[in-house]
Amino acid sequence: EAGVAQSPRYKIIEKRQSVAFWCNPISGHATLYWYQQILGQGPKLLIQFQNNGVVDDSQLPKDRFSAERLKGVDSTLKIQPAKLEDSAVYLCASSLSVAGGVETQYFGPGTRLLVL
Amino acid sequence: GDSVTQMEGPVTLSEEAFLTINCTYTATGYPSLFWYVQYPGEGLQLLLKATKADDKGSNKGFEATYRKETTSFHLEKGSVQVSDSAVYFCALRIQGAQKLVFGQGTRLTINP
Repeated sequence: EAGVAQSPRYKIIEKRQSVAFWCNPISGHATLYWYQQILGQGPKLLIQFQNNGVVDDSQLPKDRFSAERLKGVDSTLKIQPAKLEDSAVYLCASSLSVAGGVETQYFGPGTRLLVL
Repeated sequence: GDSVTQMEGPVTLSEEAFLTINCTYTATGYPSLFWYVQYPGEGLQLLLKATKADDKGSNKGFEATYRKETTSFHLEKGSVQVSDSAVYFCALRIQGAQKLVFGQGTRLTINP
């Protein structure tokens, strides 16, 4: 079974530029998450999708970050314009939606972003 | 708010040593608890989990027991190997929600 795919793996941009990340979850997984992991910290949830609807985006900086999940499958996360503090690893994860269950989240390898 | 606190790293041990990585949490309700591991150059992987008080999660020789009275979920292994070198994250999931709240991670290095 293929895992969660992310691209690109690395990206270097200058501040005020825009950048986009792509994620393809495990086939059949209804729930998709984007996390931000700043160096030396644990991942922090930015946004959670259930199929193509947003469940939780309370920690997404909406003035510069946006995300979409077209047709409830793959997803893109965009930053525009980028700031120095956006330098981080952006992790995508997916899980099945099992009612009442404790789902396992499966993580992709991440995209490492450096903003100069 | 809900949070997870892990012991400060980095932790360096010799092969076959006993390992403990402390994890405590603050949460409302009855969270599920997890340990994730991140090997060099790889993504986060679930190591073990426990969904209710007194449950013990175990995998690959690692164990952790959900202690509600001390709000803890300490990770232990009796004899570590060089291949256990990685960053370990403790995390919780609030009852009724799906997002994970992570600790800051503990980097473990095992020397031969």
